[in-house]
Amino acid sequence: KAGVTQTPRYLIKTRGQQVTLSCSPISGHRSVSWYQQTPGQGLQFLFEYFSETQRNKGNFPGRFSGRQFSNSRSEMNVSTLELGDSALYLCASSLMTGAVYEQYFGPGTRLTVT
Amino acid sequence: AQRVTQPEKLLSVFKGAPVELKCNYSYSGSPELFWYVQYSRQRLQLLLRHISRESIKGFTADLNKGETSFHLKKPFAQEEDSAMYYCALPFFNAGGTSYGKLTFGQGTILTVHP
Repeated sequence: KAGVTQTPRYLIKTRGQQVTLSCSPISGHRSVSWYQQTPGQGLQFLFEYFSETQRNKGNFPGRFSGRQFSNSRSEMNVSTLELGDSALYLCASSLMTGAVYEQYFGPGTRLTVT
Repeated sequence: AQRVTQPEKLLSVFKGAPVELKCNYSYSGSPELFWYVQYSRQRLQLLLRHISRESIKGFTADLNKGETSFHLKKPFAQEEDSAMYYCALPFFNAGGTSYGKLTFGQGTILTVHP
């Protein structure tokens, strides 16, 4: 099966702009999660979608939002970008195995805010 | 609160030496735990999960509920093991339902010198 894909791979934006990142999960995976990875904070959970519904949300401001489509593809949007939003944004698609979801990660989108 | 602690940010060993990457967790229920690895310029990938009790690339990890630890071990480190390693705890809600959310430790950068 093809792995998780994310587009674009790199983005440069200026403060105040907004950005949309896209994630295509592994075929058959209905759960998609998003994480922000930075050197200082490590990997932090943003939100998770399952069957087009947000099931869980991390501690990020409302400028961070997402959605999931009927084909399980997901997008995340960041509005009014700040310098601190510069990070690697990872998408993971998940499959329930046993009692938990095993997550498979995409290559990430590197966002630089100037 | 669910929490994962990796006390060592950096760990250096020589090739052929044993290596142990420490992970401690905070969770009141019966935990499931994962180790993920991120090689240079590669995506985050699942290394092992405790319930499978498999040995992947020579690595093993034992869950110690008394010490709330899930340390990753390898008896003889190889240069290709140099990478960032993350310990991760899946999220369970109060009802014991799992979601596609992982709480990660801060990660340990392992460097294996020739």
